[in-house]
Amino acid sequence: QKEVEQDPGPLSVPEGAIVSLNCTYSNSAFQYFMWYRQYSRKGPELLMYTYSSGNKEDGRFTAQVDKSSKYISLFIRDSQPSDSATYLCAMSGTGTASKLTFGTGTRLQVTL
Amino acid sequence: GAVVSQHPSWVICKSGTSVKIECRSLDFQATTMFWYRQFPKQSLMLMATSNEGSKATYEQGVEKDKFLINHASLTLSTLTVTSAHPEDSSFYICSAFRPGSTEAFFGQGTRLTVV
Repeated sequence: QKEVEQDPGPLSVPEGAIVSLNCTYSNSAFQYFMWYRQYSRKGPELLMYTYSSGNKEDGRFTAQVDKSSKYISLFIRDSQPSDSATYLCAMSGTGTASKLTFGTGTRLQVTL
Repeated sequence: GAVVSQHPSWVICKSGTSVKIECRSLDFQATTMFWYRQFPKQSLMLMATSNEGSKATYEQGVEKDKFLINHASLTLSTLTVTSAHPEDSSFYICSAFRPGSTEAFFGQGTRLTVV
């Protein structure tokens, strides 16, 4: 069993839709939960991170962590074509810049 | 955000040859850099942690004699794939930790194809 499971997609949604991206994990030692966005031929860039359980909101993006279920989510409201990218979840037990365990990434396509 | 530059973006090499990939932090000093590898349809997997001025720490299952890491300065880490084989074909990506920041910044990655 992989430590982090993420549906690779692709996920196609119309512009304006609410997007829900999810990851499950098995390692209860994970404390830091991150979402990265990666455009084609570019490196991942950090979108949001959450420490332990709870929600965090930043503009159109909301990250949720449910440690009891070992389940994390990223919601994108009012999705735009510019949101089309691969979204990777990543986790760590010791910090956001230390050893990260990634999901496979979900490819999102927002259509006009 | 901070800039991490990786070079080359892609490389094709013959089986048995060595390939060097560079990772540079352009606007900050990085005492720690990380090297990841991603095979098709799989996750980014950490290969090693590179610390300036000391030996790299390799993850379990990664051959340190095959994947040579040198972090000779605070702005440059290199990964050399020695005696490359087709199974080493992958996407290699580095990240650098900027002191005082809460995140590691990623390079754009290097697509290695061994023929």
